[in-house]
Amino acid sequence: QKEVEQDPGPLSVPEGAIVSLNCTYSNSAFQYFMWYRQYSRKGPELLMYTYSSGNKEDGRFTAQVDKSSKYISLFIRDSQPSDSATYLCATSSSGDKLTFGTGTRLAVRP
Amino acid sequence: GAVVSQHPSWVICKSGTSVKIECRSLDFQATTMFWYRQFPKQSLMLMATSNEGSKATYEQGVEKDKFLINHASLTLSTLTVTSAHPEDSSFYICSLTGLTEAFFGQGTRLTVV
Repeated sequence: QKEVEQDPGPLSVPEGAIVSLNCTYSNSAFQYFMWYRQYSRKGPELLMYTYSSGNKEDGRFTAQVDKSSKYISLFIRDSQPSDSATYLCATSSSGDKLTFGTGTRLAVRP
Repeated sequence: GAVVSQHPSWVICKSGTSVKIECRSLDFQATTMFWYRQFPKQSLMLMATSNEGSKATYEQGVEKDKFLINHASLTLSTLTVTSAHPEDSSFYICSLTGLTEAFFGQGTRLTVV
């Protein structure tokens, strides 16, 4: 079993839709949870960073962490074509070495 | 602005040759850097932890003699893929950690022909 499971997609939605991306993890020691966006042939860039359980909102993006069920989510409101990318969830027990999900490819249709 | 600079962004080499990838910290001194590898349609997998002034720590299954890591200064870590083979073709990314987040280089796409 992988430590972090993520549906690879692809996920295709119309512009303006609400997108829900999810990951599950197995290691109870994970306390840091991140979402990265990766455009083709580029390095990942951080979108959201959450420590422990709870919600965090930043503009159109909302990250949720439920440690009791080991489930993490990223919601994108009013999705735009420029949001089309691969979204990777990542976890860490110490905050430095990251364990990534496989990434979900998202396509937002104009 | 960029925190991490990685070079080259892409490289093609012949099988059997060696390739060096550089990762520079631009904004602060990094005692620890991380090297990841990403195969097509797969996630980033940690290869090794680069420690300034000491030996790198390799993840299970990563050959330390094949992937040489040098972290001679607080701002530079290098990964050398020795005797590269086509199966080493991948996207290599370095990372360093700040106070609250990890910063990634632009990545290096290595193609071994």
